[in-house]
Amino acid sequence: NAGVTQTPKFQVLKTGQSMTLQCAQDMNHEYMSWYRQDPGMGLRLIHYSVGAGITDQGEVPNGYNVSRSTTEDFPLRLLSAAPSQTSVYFCASSYSDSGLGEQFFGPGTRLTVL
Amino acid sequence: GENVEQHPSTLSVQEGDSAVIKCTYSDSASNYFPWYKQELGKGPQLIIDIRSNVGEKKDQRIAVTLNKTAKHFSLHITETQPEDSAVYFCAAPSDTGRRALTFGSGTRLQVQP
Repeated sequence: NAGVTQTPKFQVLKTGQSMTLQCAQDMNHEYMSWYRQDPGMGLRLIHYSVGAGITDQGEVPNGYNVSRSTTEDFPLRLLSAAPSQTSVYFCASSYSDSGLGEQFFGPGTRLTVL
Repeated sequence: GENVEQHPSTLSVQEGDSAVIKCTYSDSASNYFPWYKQELGKGPQLIIDIRSNVGEKKDQRIAVTLNKTAKHFSLHITETQPEDSAVYFCAAPSDTGRRALTFGSGTRLQVQP
């Protein structure tokens, strides 16, 4: 049981490039979410999903897209990277479809945009 | 939307002492309050949570108290140990109807041996 996995661990992009951060979980959780973590600002929700085919915006969705074609996978796409998107990104999943239960976090992806 | 404020931002204690971290929230309808611990280079991990139908919950050296009237909740760690050194986050439900959490800005706890 691998839990929540994220790839890559580190990534450097140039302004304007696009990329996809991968997230997968093997716990059969319906609820999945993406957060970004910046110094002094805690964790801010980007997008979340309560099941395959269903996604919704979080607190800071601009510049990011998500899709949920399977229960296991929840990729995060940066359409045109900007320096303001330099951050550590965490994916999480939960057995509670309300998101109001234990969330299991992945190890994170550290992204730098030059 | 929900606003969660957390303080202090940093806390240094001697091994064996107690540590207290406090959070306030704005939405009186909020009903779920978790605490997460993040060790260096890792993702956050749930350590304890409380729902609004109780005022206190304990798990060994960790306890959480909730004051619904004042809209604040606190994390208490007793007999601190060096391995308690980490960043701690509180959270509360986000906007009504949104199935998500709003996190506080975090407290860096340093336990001095």
